[in-house]
Amino acid sequence: GAVVSQHPSRVICKSGTSVKIECRSLDFQATTMFWYRQFPKQSLMLMATSNEGSKATYEQGVEKDKFLINHASLTLSTLTVTSAHPEDSSFYICSASRDRFSYEQYFGPGTRLTVT
Amino acid sequence: GIQVEQSPPDLILQEGANSTLRCNFSDSVNNLQWFHQNPWGQLINLFYIPSGTKQNGRLSATTVATERYSLLYISSSQTTDSGVYFCAVERYRRSGDKLTFGTGTRLAVRP
Repeated sequence: GAVVSQHPSRVICKSGTSVKIECRSLDFQATTMFWYRQFPKQSLMLMATSNEGSKATYEQGVEKDKFLINHASLTLSTLTVTSAHPEDSSFYICSASRDRFSYEQYFGPGTRLTVT
Repeated sequence: GIQVEQSPPDLILQEGANSTLRCNFSDSVNNLQWFHQNPWGQLINLFYIPSGTKQNGRLSATTVATERYSLLYISSSQTTDSGVYFCAVERYRRSGDKLTFGTGTRLAVRP
């Protein structure tokens, strides 16, 4: 149990376009989902926390208008990178907790975004 | 915020060897997880262990919460154990607190 999927696994887009990444909890309902970013050979940094049916909470320094997060159902959260630029190229990983009282997080396989 | 330090940063082992990875953290926690990130980037949950000892096959982990450290033991290492091992901790699930990752231990197991 506790499987999280992400789609797409890899995406290349042109500068100025928008890209949507989906994160799904396959065998459990996730009231809380998290979005992380990882640069090469570095650790994971939390970008935002999303709770189903409410606005996402963004970490300091993360532009909410650039990284749009929607958590419309208990099994799906989306991250849209708007007007992407080469510096947005990175590995984006989502995770989910089973419920508000559960600390353990389960991670998706990640999405590698390359902006040309 | 909470500080998480992992050691060693890099480790090279011969297949079959044992190793111990360490995670030190600066405050009391309600969540401590160990992950293995494979070469394709997937984070695999190894242990959820805010305190105590757990074992899963060749891997085991111990967290001494009062002394703010956790250890991950890998026995009889295999080449498939290669990758980066992260420790991540969280204090409270409330506004402002988050899962904080250490910088990782990069493990290479040679055949």
